[in-house]
Amino acid sequence: DAGVIQSPRHEVTEMGQEVTLRCKPISGHDYLFWYRQTMMRGLELLIYFNNNVPIDDSGMPEDRFSAKMPNASFSTLKIQPSEPRDSAVYFCASTSSGWSYGYTFGSGTRLTVV
Amino acid sequence: DQQVKQNSPSLSVQEGRISILNCDYTNSMFDYFLWYKKYPAEGPTFLISISSIKDKNEDGRFTVFLNKSAKHLSLHIVPSQPGDSAVYFCAATYYTGANSKLTFGKGITLSVRP
Repeated sequence: DAGVIQSPRHEVTEMGQEVTLRCKPISGHDYLFWYRQTMMRGLELLIYFNNNVPIDDSGMPEDRFSAKMPNASFSTLKIQPSEPRDSAVYFCASTSSGWSYGYTFGSGTRLTVV
Repeated sequence: DQQVKQNSPSLSVQEGRISILNCDYTNSMFDYFLWYKKYPAEGPTFLISISSIKDKNEDGRFTVFLNKSAKHLSLHIVPSQPGDSAVYFCAATYYTGANSKLTFGKGITLSVRP
């Protein structure tokens, strides 16, 4: 298995532009998580899905952030419009149902908004 | 409000010595705790975990200790090796029957000097 695949690895965009981050979870995993890493707050959970359904989006910072999971093998995190304070590393992780020690993280997308 | 706290942002130890990484939590519902390790430009990877029914779990050079009354856990690495240099995240969760989201701390950067 190739693991959790995120794209792009790096994204530099101008303030006000739309940004879309992509994630392919491990086949067979029915939970998918989006985390954001910053120096100030560490790893924050933004949203997670179970069987493609959003379960908890209380971590999504603002309405500018949205996430979708149209099928079991693909999810997107969109920021529109982007702002410099959105600059961070965004991680996607997946796991199978039951217990949480099996999180597998992707390599992350480093987003820089200038 | 940080429910999982890693108050020391960094730690430097000599190769061969013990590394002790500390973590505190505030949510008394947490009953399962994990440590993740992260190298630069990679996603976090699972290292070791402990259930609240135990006070110690050991895996090779890594041992996690849990003090429930103090709401404190620690990760011991003995002996420390240069390859252990990474960011270590403490995480916690509680079983709700269906959902198993992890709450992470800010991370501790460990540097092991040769």
